[in-house]
Amino acid sequence: GENVEQHPSTLSVQEGDSAVIKCTYSDSASNYFPWYKQELGKRPQLIIDIRSNVGEKKDQRIAVTLNKTAKHFSLHITETQPEDSAVYFCAASNSNTGNQFYFGTGTSLTVIP
Amino acid sequence: DTGVSQNPRHKITKRGQNVTFRCDPISEHNRLYWYRQTLGQGPEFLTYFQNEAQLEKSRLLSDRFSAERPKGSFSTLEIQRTEQGDSAMYLCASSSGQGNSPLHFGNGTRLTVT
Repeated sequence: GENVEQHPSTLSVQEGDSAVIKCTYSDSASNYFPWYKQELGKRPQLIIDIRSNVGEKKDQRIAVTLNKTAKHFSLHITETQPEDSAVYFCAASNSNTGNQFYFGTGTSLTVIP
Repeated sequence: DTGVSQNPRHKITKRGQNVTFRCDPISEHNRLYWYRQTLGQGPEFLTYFQNEAQLEKSRLLSDRFSAERPKGSFSTLEIQRTEQGDSAMYLCASSSGQGNSPLHFGNGTRLTVT
């Protein structure tokens, strides 16, 4: 099955700086890569996603890049704000084989005011 | 609120007891997933349904765990003879199942086995 690895496990940045979280996956057939943000005690919420036919996608301060050849994808948050502090999870899935989602172990991001 | 609803929010039980959790997905979603999450870890897949059919079950899931979705709407997850290692957050999620569609999570049921 799919194996998703995520780094770093913790990340601290100064407010206004950028944050980058990286994930790798093992199954070249995976074709959909969502990112979730989970605040303490709350549900994971989708913040951005990318499909395998796209190399990059941006939504305001958040962007995701995908390198299918290297089987890795990254989340970029620019101009970080204290409310960006949360745990971020990457995931990979294959819509052709049932769309099961495999999650990374999470990155705890702290934005220091 | 038309999101995914889970009940109860918290459950404390003694080791050896049975517990059952309920999930109501977003109404037009035909796929329903159960995940387990422990502190500091990502959601771990347990099982998923397309309509009323249980399509996949994790090999990590012991025989003490069973899930149903009898009418293709709400789902229940039952854990029999609970163990302390079952203590975790149990998350339900649903998706439309159309191509690459994201998961929408509920708030989860936090189980504590004493």
